[in-house]
Amino acid sequence: EDKVVQSPLSLVVHEGDTVTLNCSYEVTNFRSLLWYKQEKKAPTFLFMLTSSGIEKKSGRLSSILDKKELFSILNITATQTGDSAVYLCAVVSAGNMLTFGGGTRLMVKP
Amino acid sequence: GAVVSQHPSRVICKSGTSVKIECRSLDFQATTMFWYRQFPKKSLMLMATSNEGSKATYEQGVEKDKFLINHASLTLSTLTVTSAHPEDSSFYICSASGRAGKDTQYFGPGTRLTVL
Repeated sequence: EDKVVQSPLSLVVHEGDTVTLNCSYEVTNFRSLLWYKQEKKAPTFLFMLTSSGIEKKSGRLSSILDKKELFSILNITATQTGDSAVYLCAVVSAGNMLTFGGGTRLMVKP
Repeated sequence: GAVVSQHPSRVICKSGTSVKIECRSLDFQATTMFWYRQFPKKSLMLMATSNEGSKATYEQGVEKDKFLINHASLTLSTLTVTSAHPEDSSFYICSASGRAGKDTQYFGPGTRLTVL
């Protein structure tokens, strides 16, 4: 059975801190890994990772995938209160089936 | 963690037919279920929010008569795509949450709908 586990479950930091969110997975026929940010309504797509070792970057957010060790990390540098959200990791397997992790709830305090 | 299932995982249907997708919370009571549609660039669009025993709340631009949502029990919500057309072909994902949506959302594996 495919499994995606995110850690930590929740995290409280202060503005300016750097955070690292983890996502480990066990899936058959891995295709890609997706990161989303969910604030109020629909999760907002952040990154799609398919190859190991290639960092994807968008502003203060970056992510990398390790297909050998079966995990991905999402880094946020110089956090701001607007980064407070639930961050979701999802793995796409054969047939475009999605398995979501349970999410990491990040709270950034001023 | 909590488990949410969807059935079927994929379905192919002819244009004009209706398709029902089920979303079940297997090990917790889901007072609130959400239905999303995934677009090609991986973005998720919230279609509607359903609370057990009451009518679903649809997002702007989503036709309630076309996408019928029923949340009859604390463990089951269904999305029926009525008179499906090729443009309805998409990946539909549900999520479930306890405590009127204030808890974490647990996502289902999605249903791939292809309308010929």
